[in-house]
Amino acid sequence: QITLKESGPTLVKPTQTLTLTCTFSGFSLSTSGMGVGWIRRPPGKALEWLALIYWNDDKRYSPSLKSRLTITKDTSKNQVVLTMTNMDPVDTATYYCARAGYPNYYDYGMDIWGQGTTVTVSS
Amino acid sequence: DIQMTQTPSTLSASVGDRVTITCRASQSISNWLAWYQEKPGKTPKLLIYKASTLESGVSSRFSGSGSGTEFTLTISSLHPDDFATYYCLQYVSYSRWSFGQGTKVEIK
Repeated sequence: QITLKESGPTLVKPTQTLTLTCTFSGFSLSTSGMGVGWIRRPPGKALEWLALIYWNDDKRYSPSLKSRLTITKDTSKNQVVLTMTNMDPVDTATYYCARAGYPNYYDYGMDIWGQGTTVTVSS
Repeated sequence: DIQMTQTPSTLSASVGDRVTITCRASQSISNWLAWYQEKPGKTPKLLIYKASTLESGVSSRFSGSGSGTEFTLTISSLHPDDFATYYCLQYVSYSRWSFGQGTKVEIK
C-alpha cells in the first residue's frame, strides 16, 4: 500500500521560512522513474504545482516561486523536504505531496496524494 | 514554460447531462495530460492519465481524449457524486509541470 503524509507547522509568521516534510511508504525514491511532487491549494483558489524531485535528484520548480523553494530527498528515510522562504499571507494554503512518475518510466503523472497539511501565514 | 488554459471555469449542469471540459496547452505536450477531481475537504483524485487512460477504479462514465495541445474530459452522464472541481495537469518530462485553472461543475 502506498501512502504519503505531510508534516510541518500549521502557523508561520510573515518572512519566516516554512519547512514541510513528506514521509512516504510503499515505494522508493531509489527506483528509476520515481519522484515526489508538492502542490498547494490556497483557500478558494486553484491547485498550484510547486516542485518535484526525481530519483536521480533532478529537481523542478514552479517558475513563479523558484527563488523561494528548495526541494531535497532523503532516500534512506523515505522523505522529501520542501522549504519555502519569506512566507507571506498569500502563501496560506493546504500543501500536498504526491507520488510522481517520470514520463515514459511511469505514465500516471501524480497518482497517490497525501492528505494535505494546512499552513496559515499570519503574525 | 507550458501554460494550461482550462475552460469553462464554471459549468452548471443537471444529473444525467453529458459534460465536456477542455484544456489547451501553450505548446505540444504529446499526451502527457492527467485529469483530477477535487471535492471540498478531500484529496484530489486521479481520474485519467496519459490523456485517455482511465485510472483503476474510476467510473467508465469518465473519458479523456486529445493530444498535442487540445484535450477534453467528458462525463457521459452526470451523477450526483460528480459535482466537484476538475483540474488538468500537464506533466512533460522536459519541463516543469502545471495545472489548469479548474472547472467547477455545479448543480443547475
